[in-house]
Amino acid sequence: QQPVQSPQAVILREGEDAVINCSSSKALYSVHWYRQKHGEAPVFLMILLKGGEQKGHDKISASFNEKKQQSSLYLTASQLSYSGTYFCGTPSSQGGSEKLVFGKGTKLTVNP
Amino acid sequence: DVKVTQSSRYLVKRTGEKVFLECVQDMDHENMFWYRQDPGLGLRLIYFSYDVKMKEKGDIPEGYSVSREKKERFSLILESASTNQTSMYLCASSSGTPSEQYFGPGTRLTVT
Repeated sequence: QQPVQSPQAVILREGEDAVINCSSSKALYSVHWYRQKHGEAPVFLMILLKGGEQKGHDKISASFNEKKQQSSLYLTASQLSYSGTYFCGTPSSQGGSEKLVFGKGTKLTVNP
Repeated sequence: DVKVTQSSRYLVKRTGEKVFLECVQDMDHENMFWYRQDPGLGLRLIYFSYDVKMKEKGDIPEGYSVSREKKERFSLILESASTNQTSMYLCASSSGTPSEQYFGPGTRLTVT
């Protein structure tokens, strides 16, 4: 079941904040976040695990609400380099899996 | 640095041709993945391999097959290319669960 991301797109001015949400209809073991800049490959940002453990990026924060089956990515004081499409991915089976199902993405544009 | 390379950045094939897309990773990762990326649909998993000669179907395996004869190399095969297989194909690798996936630069395949 593909996770649902919102919003689909957001436009910011440099220095503004943004929140990107990812929700699932099934219980989540972990949530994975990636960013893809135009014309480039997706790059790993972070993994949020059940129980609160987090692996990944120092400058981007995220939350994982296991009860609501949701994760949110917080981009504060956005920089031009934050522009790109953000994908969340969730394991395709309960209990964790190497196989992920990705959302359709949220396109973030940061303007000067 | 982990490096995932793909044999071609751009490929143009005719309908009915057999197409091979090659992916090589240099970090001794046990897991390798083939994704297809289409506008508005996100990343969709075609096939996954967790060891040499071992594979699992992803979400959209129809019309594709894979081969993994060596740990570092994972091939995607289109037995008889069709126009609806025109897309961006991304290869990735990872080690352990859950863990970050490292993506290759992608192959943009056009089937005419």
